[in-house]
Amino acid sequence: DAKTTQPNSMESNEEEPVHLPCNHSTISGTDYIHWYRQLPSQGPEYVIHGLTSNVNNRMASLAIAEDRKSSTLILHRATLRDAAVYYCIPTEGAGSYQLTFGKGTKLSVIP
Amino acid sequence: GAVVSQHPSRVICKSGTSVKIECRSLDFQATTMFWYRQFPKQSLMLMATSNEGSKATYEQGVEKDKFLINHASLTLSTLTVTSAHPEDSSFYICGWGLANTEAFFGQGTRLTVV
Repeated sequence: DAKTTQPNSMESNEEEPVHLPCNHSTISGTDYIHWYRQLPSQGPEYVIHGLTSNVNNRMASLAIAEDRKSSTLILHRATLRDAAVYYCIPTEGAGSYQLTFGKGTKLSVIP
Repeated sequence: GAVVSQHPSRVICKSGTSVKIECRSLDFQATTMFWYRQFPKQSLMLMATSNEGSKATYEQGVEKDKFLINHASLTLSTLTVTSAHPEDSSFYICGWGLANTEAFFGQGTRLTVV
């Protein structure tokens, strides 16, 4: 499995954009990059995923570096409901499918 | 997003008894499902991965005879914690997914063994 490095914690002001980085330098060419988040005492929630191109959905944007060794999850306007632990997870594009969570980044949103 | 029903949400059991946790996907079918446990202030730890109709693949250090996984169909899986002990007290989470698409998770089961 590709190893990931994320900041332990980040803070953002409400209604400001947030950029959550993730390094995954050992990612293979066929691994997808998934992002999930977990609110306190809940199961994880899917945020976004991509392979090579940048991706947008209603929740967030995912910017993937050209060499794919890093990616950034972008929340365009942080709300208090976005306070959660965010996990970046590379998954194998070929072979067995597994979701292994690292330590993630705890995002705090300041009113 | 899709709905995953995990039941019960909380359970307290006596040491030495068994507890069954049920996980259902209500509005979609997926071939792969995951079971995790999470201790306070820690990340989710993958316990096992299973595909419908196949035996679960357990992670290293997870006893398959203690944590029995039944993946009965594309929408139902159960985790049975047998002969539970206080150290098994944890937050257990199930998830369903198809390779390289989004996965959906239950709301978790908080198990307390007394």
